[in-house]
Amino acid sequence: EPEVTQTPSHQVTQMGQEVILRCVPISNHLYFYWYRQILGQKVEFLVSFYNNEISEKSEIFDDQFSVERPDGSNFTLKIRSTKLEDSAMYFCATGVKNIQYFGAGTRLSVL
Amino acid sequence: GIQVEQSPPDLILQEGANSTLRCNFSDSVNNLQWFHQNPWGQLINLFYIPSGTKQNGRLSATTVATERYSLLYISSSQTTDSGVYFCAVERDLGGQNFVFGPGTRLSVLP
Repeated sequence: EPEVTQTPSHQVTQMGQEVILRCVPISNHLYFYWYRQILGQKVEFLVSFYNNEISEKSEIFDDQFSVERPDGSNFTLKIRSTKLEDSAMYFCATGVKNIQYFGAGTRLSVL
Repeated sequence: GIQVEQSPPDLILQEGANSTLRCNFSDSVNNLQWFHQNPWGQLINLFYIPSGTKQNGRLSATTVATERYSLLYISSSQTTDSGVYFCAVERDLGGQNFVFGPGTRLSVLP
């Protein structure tokens, strides 16, 4: 099966710091997504991205979050000023023809 | 928004046993996928199954879209099947994102 690659696998940061999570999507995929899973809870949608712009976002995706595709290949999620409650697993997904493929996730720990 | 329920929430099996996991959803869906989250947190895509039946080895899935449910069958379970199984749906007529169910936590004992 094709792979979506996420880096880093684990990120530890201090509260108030900025973090950037990276995703390398499958090459011919056009749709990109970020999801979040707080420990022990279900996976929640954050944002979808198509044609270099946000197509949909959830209420979780506030002004502290941003996404971009800086070089046409990587897809990034930036959290501007992390809070303790941002600690979670963040999954990138890419899609084509309705199927979404998920990366292995980045575990973010905010101290 | 669309509601997704899964049952049972927890399931403990002896190795070799069979099981059925259920996913109910409250509205028409454009897409339904089953995922296995392994103990390392990775989400593994099992099936893309908005309708019909598919089989892959010991796993199979059936979605009855008109009745708004999907079933995941695991036969001859192995300890490596342990983890959390999520059903995720993409709602019909707009919205590209998945809504995940709460998951079924499966523990297969040796």
